Amino acid sequence: QKEVEQDPGPLSVPEGAIVSLNCTYSNSAFQYFMWYRQYSRKGPELLMYTYSSGNKEDGRFTAQVDKSSKYISLFIRDSQPSDSATYLCAMTIAIYNQGGKLIFGQGTELSVKP
Amino acid sequence: NAGVTQTPKFRILKIGQSMTLQCTQDMNHNYMYWYRQDPGMGLKLIYYSVGAGITDKGEVPNGYNVSRSTTEDFPLRLELAAPSQTSVYFCASSRVQTSSGNTIYFGEGSWLTVV
Repeated sequence: QKEVEQDPGPLSVPEGAIVSLNCTYSNSAFQYFMWYRQYSRKGPELLMYTYSSGNKEDGRFTAQVDKSSKYISLFIRDSQPSDSATYLCAMTIAIYNQGGKLIFGQGTELSVKP
Repeated sequence: NAGVTQTPKFRILKIGQSMTLQCTQDMNHNYMYWYRQDPGMGLKLIYYSVGAGITDKGEVPNGYNVSRSTTEDFPLRLELAAPSQTSVYFCASSRVQTSSGNTIYFGEGSWLTVV
């Protein structure tokens, strides 16, 4: 069983739709949860970061963490064609001087159609 | 601001050849990382470094070596290339450990094919 599971998609939605992206994980020690966006032929870039459980909102993006269910989500409101990318969830435990090793999901490919 | 720069962008290697992927960052970050990304598999950590002269293995270190003689540079060496090393390689850096929530910056990637 992989430590982090993410549906690879592809997911295709019309412009303006609400998008829901999800990851499940098995290691209850994970405390830091991140979402990265990766455009084609580019490196990933940090989109959202959350510590422990709860919600975090940034513009059209909302990240949710439910540690009791070992489930995290990223919601994109009013999706735009420019949101078309692969979205990777990542998580880590806090171990000093371990480089904060990130464990990534497989990534979900999202396409927003005009 | 260049950020994290990787070279080469693309490379084709023959089985058994060796090569070095270069990585340099101009943000004075202490932490640097090498990841590989295979289709549908996410990113896996190969090696990381917490500062000049200090390196450690990640999840998938076999077949690779690294060195960190300066803060800026973190080259990845492939010895005796194998088809299983065909992948996209990303170098990354962060100011402090990523578990502090600090942003990790990725390079543009190096596409390597071993034939």
